[in-house]
Amino acid sequence: EAGVAQSPRYKIIEKRQSVAFWCNPISGHATLYWYQQILGQGPKLLIQFQNNGVVDDSQLPKDRFSAERLKGVDSTLKIQPAKLEDSAVYLCASSPRTTYNEQFFGPGTRLTVL
Amino acid sequence: GQQLNQSPQSMFIQEGEDVSMNCTSSSIFNTWLWYKQDPGEGPVLLIALYKAGELTSNGRLTAQFGITRKDSFLNISASIPSDVGIYFCAGTNTGNQFYFGTGTSLTVIP
Repeated sequence: EAGVAQSPRYKIIEKRQSVAFWCNPISGHATLYWYQQILGQGPKLLIQFQNNGVVDDSQLPKDRFSAERLKGVDSTLKIQPAKLEDSAVYLCASSPRTTYNEQFFGPGTRLTVL
Repeated sequence: GQQLNQSPQSMFIQEGEDVSMNCTSSSIFNTWLWYKQDPGEGPVLLIALYKAGELTSNGRLTAQFGITRKDSFLNISASIPSDVGIYFCAGTNTGNQFYFGTGTSLTVIP
Protein backbone atom coordinates (compact mmCIF):
# COMPACT_ATOMS: atom_id res chain seq x y z
CA GLU A 1 0.00 0.00 0.00
CA ALA A 2 1.42 3.37 -1.02
CA GLY A 3 1.93 5.86 1.77
CA VAL A 4 1.16 9.56 1.97
CA ALA A 5 2.99 11.41 -0.78
CA GLN A 6 4.16 15.01 -0.49
CA SER A 7 5.95 17.33 -2.85
CA PRO A 8 8.21 19.09 -3.08
CA ARG A 9 10.47 17.63 -0.38
CA TYR A 10 12.43 20.88 -0.06
CA LYS A 11 11.68 24.48 -0.94
CA ILE A 12 13.69 27.65 -0.45
CA ILE A 13 12.03 31.01 -1.02
CA GLU A 14 12.53 34.63 -0.04
CA LYS A 15 10.22 36.36 2.38
CA ARG A 16 7.08 37.84 0.85
CA GLN A 17 7.08 35.20 -1.90
CA SER A 18 4.32 32.63 -2.27
CA VAL A 19 4.67 28.87 -1.97
CA ALA A 20 2.41 25.84 -2.33
CA PHE A 21 2.72 22.29 -1.05
CA TRP A 22 0.93 19.25 -2.39
CA CYS A 23 -0.27 16.14 -0.58
CA ASN A 24 -1.71 12.89 -1.92
CA PRO A 25 -3.19 10.83 0.93
CA ILE A 26 -3.47 7.06 1.19
CA SER A 27 -6.16 5.80 -1.15
CA GLY A 28 -9.56 5.67 0.52
CA HIS A 29 -8.62 7.85 3.47
CA ALA A 30 -11.39 10.35 4.07
CA THR A 31 -9.55 12.57 6.54
CA LEU A 32 -6.52 14.68 5.71
CA TYR A 33 -4.42 16.81 8.05
CA TRP A 34 -1.76 19.49 7.58
CA TYR A 35 0.78 20.13 10.33
CA GLN A 36 3.54 22.68 10.80
CA GLN A 37 6.65 21.43 12.60
CA ILE A 38 9.15 24.10 13.55
CA LEU A 39 12.67 22.84 14.23
CA GLY A 40 12.95 21.42 17.73
CA GLN A 41 9.20 21.36 18.33
CA GLY A 42 6.35 18.93 17.95
CA PRO A 43 3.98 19.16 14.98
CA LYS A 44 1.15 21.69 15.25
CA LEU A 45 -2.16 20.88 13.56
CA LEU A 46 -3.04 23.59 11.03
CA ILE A 47 -6.12 22.20 9.33
CA GLN A 48 -8.16 19.01 9.14
CA PHE A 49 -10.38 17.97 6.23
CA GLN A 50 -13.11 15.34 6.20
CA ASN A 51 -13.50 14.54 2.50
CA ASN A 52 -13.54 18.05 0.97
CA GLY A 53 -14.95 19.84 4.02
CA VAL A 54 -12.97 21.60 6.75
CA VAL A 55 -13.38 20.03 10.19
CA ASP A 56 -10.92 22.19 12.14
CA ASP A 57 -8.83 25.15 11.01
CA SER A 58 -8.64 26.93 14.34
CA GLN A 59 -4.82 27.08 14.32
CA LEU A 60 -4.41 28.08 10.67
CA PRO A 61 -3.10 31.66 10.25
CA LYS A 62 -5.78 32.58 7.77
CA ASP A 63 -4.29 35.93 6.84
CA ARG A 64 -1.54 34.18 4.92
CA PHE A 65 -2.24 30.43 4.90
CA SER A 66 -4.90 28.69 2.85
CA ALA A 67 -5.65 25.06 2.08
CA GLU A 68 -8.04 23.22 -0.15
CA ARG A 69 -9.08 19.67 -0.91
CA LEU A 70 -11.38 20.21 -3.86
CA LYS A 71 -12.26 16.64 -4.84
CA GLY A 72 -11.79 15.08 -1.43
CA VAL A 73 -8.49 13.45 -2.40
CA ASP A 74 -5.36 15.56 -3.00
CA SER A 75 -4.79 18.72 -1.04
CA THR A 76 -2.68 21.86 -1.40
CA LEU A 77 -1.46 24.18 1.34
CA LYS A 78 -0.45 27.69 0.31
CA ILE A 79 1.41 30.47 2.06
CA GLN A 80 1.10 33.96 0.64
CA PRO A 81 3.15 35.97 1.48
CA ALA A 82 5.74 33.95 3.40
CA LYS A 83 7.48 35.25 6.51
CA LEU A 84 10.76 34.18 8.04
CA GLU A 85 8.92 32.43 10.90
CA ASP A 86 7.17 30.15 8.39
CA SER A 87 10.41 28.19 8.01
CA ALA A 88 9.42 24.69 9.10
CA VAL A 89 8.57 21.20 7.92
CA TYR A 90 5.00 20.90 6.67
CA LEU A 91 3.62 17.45 7.28
CA CYS A 92 0.56 15.93 5.70
CA ALA A 93 -1.24 12.98 7.26
CA SER A 94 -4.33 10.98 6.40
CA SER A 95 -6.63 8.56 8.20
CA PRO A 96 -9.61 6.41 7.22
CA ARG A 97 -11.84 8.26 9.67
CA THR A 98 -11.63 11.32 11.90
CA THR A 99 -9.58 9.47 14.49
CA TYR A 100 -6.13 10.79 15.33
CA ASN A 101 -4.78 7.40 16.35
CA GLU A 102 -5.13 6.13 12.77
CA GLN A 103 -3.07 8.87 11.13
CA PHE A 104 -0.31 8.00 8.68
CA PHE A 105 2.18 10.77 8.03
CA GLY A 106 4.01 11.71 4.86
CA PRO A 107 7.73 12.61 4.84
CA GLY A 108 7.04 16.35 4.89
CA THR A 109 8.15 19.39 2.92
CA ARG A 110 10.99 21.38 4.44
CA LEU A 111 10.47 25.10 3.80
CA THR A 112 13.22 27.64 4.28
CA VAL A 113 12.28 31.31 4.06
CA LEU A 114 15.23 33.66 3.58
CA GLY B 1 -2.38 27.36 23.14
CA GLN B 2 -2.26 23.96 24.78
CA GLN B 3 1.17 22.79 25.83
CA LEU B 4 2.23 19.21 26.36
CA ASN B 5 5.55 19.22 28.16
CA GLN B 6 7.86 16.27 27.76
CA SER B 7 10.82 15.36 29.91
CA PRO B 8 13.60 14.85 29.63
CA GLN B 9 14.25 16.98 26.56
CA SER B 10 17.10 14.67 25.53
CA MET B 11 18.66 11.43 26.71
CA PHE B 12 21.96 9.72 26.03
CA ILE B 13 22.02 6.09 27.13
CA GLN B 14 24.06 2.95 26.65
CA GLU B 15 22.69 0.14 24.52
CA GLY B 16 20.81 -2.31 26.70
CA GLU B 17 19.64 0.25 29.24
CA ASP B 18 16.00 0.96 29.99
CA VAL B 19 14.50 4.36 29.17
CA SER B 20 11.69 6.32 30.79
CA MET B 21 10.13 9.53 29.58
CA ASN B 22 6.96 11.37 30.44
CA CYS B 23 4.49 13.90 29.18
CA THR B 24 2.38 16.29 31.22
CA SER B 25 -0.52 18.58 30.46
CA SER B 26 -2.15 21.44 32.30
CA SER B 27 -5.58 20.09 31.39
CA ILE B 28 -7.33 16.73 31.17
CA PHE B 29 -6.81 14.59 28.09
CA ASN B 30 -9.10 11.86 26.78
CA THR B 31 -6.52 10.00 24.72
CA TRP B 32 -2.75 9.76 24.76
CA LEU B 33 -0.62 8.69 21.82
CA TRP B 34 3.11 8.07 21.59
CA TYR B 35 5.00 8.57 18.30
CA LYS B 36 8.57 8.13 17.11
CA GLN B 37 10.03 10.39 14.45
CA ASP B 38 13.20 9.61 12.51
CA PRO B 39 15.12 12.36 10.68
CA GLY B 40 13.45 13.39 7.44
CA GLU B 41 10.37 11.33 8.14
CA GLY B 42 6.93 11.87 9.59
CA PRO B 43 5.98 10.56 13.04
CA VAL B 44 4.99 6.91 13.35
CA LEU B 45 2.47 5.81 15.97
CA LEU B 46 3.86 3.48 18.64
CA ILE B 47 1.13 3.16 21.24
CA ALA B 48 -2.39 4.54 21.80
CA LEU B 49 -4.05 4.86 25.21
CA TYR B 50 -7.75 5.49 25.77
CA LYS B 51 -8.58 5.43 29.47
CA ALA B 52 -7.07 6.50 32.78
CA GLY B 53 -4.79 3.91 34.31
CA GLU B 54 -4.44 1.94 31.09
CA LEU B 55 -1.10 0.21 30.62
CA THR B 56 -0.29 -0.93 27.08
CA SER B 57 2.75 -2.66 25.62
CA ASN B 58 4.15 -2.91 22.10
CA GLY B 59 7.19 -5.17 22.14
CA ARG B 60 9.83 -3.50 24.29
CA LEU B 61 7.70 -0.37 24.67
CA THR B 62 5.22 0.17 27.48
CA ALA B 63 3.06 3.25 27.97
CA GLN B 64 0.63 4.29 30.67
CA PHE B 65 -2.29 6.70 30.76
CA GLY B 66 -1.94 8.60 34.05
CA ILE B 67 -4.69 8.35 36.66
CA THR B 68 -5.10 12.13 36.76
CA ARG B 69 -5.54 12.13 32.94
CA LYS B 70 -2.96 14.92 32.82
CA ASP B 71 0.07 12.78 32.15
CA SER B 72 1.43 9.74 30.36
CA PHE B 73 4.63 7.72 30.51
CA LEU B 74 6.63 5.74 27.98
CA ASN B 75 9.21 3.12 28.89
CA ILE B 76 11.59 1.37 26.52
CA SER B 77 13.33 -1.72 27.83
CA ALA B 78 16.71 -3.03 26.72
CA SER B 79 17.37 -0.21 24.26
CA ILE B 80 18.98 -0.93 20.90
CA PRO B 81 20.62 1.44 18.38
CA SER B 82 17.51 1.63 16.18
CA ASP B 83 15.59 3.18 19.09
CA VAL B 84 17.39 6.44 18.28
CA GLY B 85 14.99 9.21 17.33
CA ILE B 86 12.62 11.77 18.73
CA TYR B 87 9.68 10.53 20.78
CA PHE B 88 6.53 12.63 20.90
CA CYS B 89 3.48 12.31 23.04
CA ALA B 90 0.21 13.60 21.64
CA GLY B 91 -3.39 13.58 22.68
CA THR B 92 -6.89 14.90 22.45
CA ASN B 93 -8.32 17.09 25.18
CA THR B 94 -11.94 17.27 26.35
CA GLY B 95 -12.70 19.62 23.44
CA ASN B 96 -11.40 16.99 20.99
CA GLN B 97 -8.47 19.25 20.08
CA PHE B 98 -5.28 17.44 19.16
CA TYR B 99 -1.81 18.46 20.30
CA PHE B 100 1.73 17.11 20.12
CA GLY B 101 4.27 17.37 22.91
CA THR B 102 7.64 19.06 22.81
CA GLY B 103 9.56 15.82 22.16
CA THR B 104 12.29 13.76 23.80
CA SER B 105 15.41 13.11 21.75
CA LEU B 106 16.93 9.68 22.41
CA THR B 107 20.51 8.73 21.56
CA VAL B 108 21.65 5.15 22.13
CA ILE B 109 25.37 4.60 22.40
CA PRO B 110 26.46 1.14 21.17
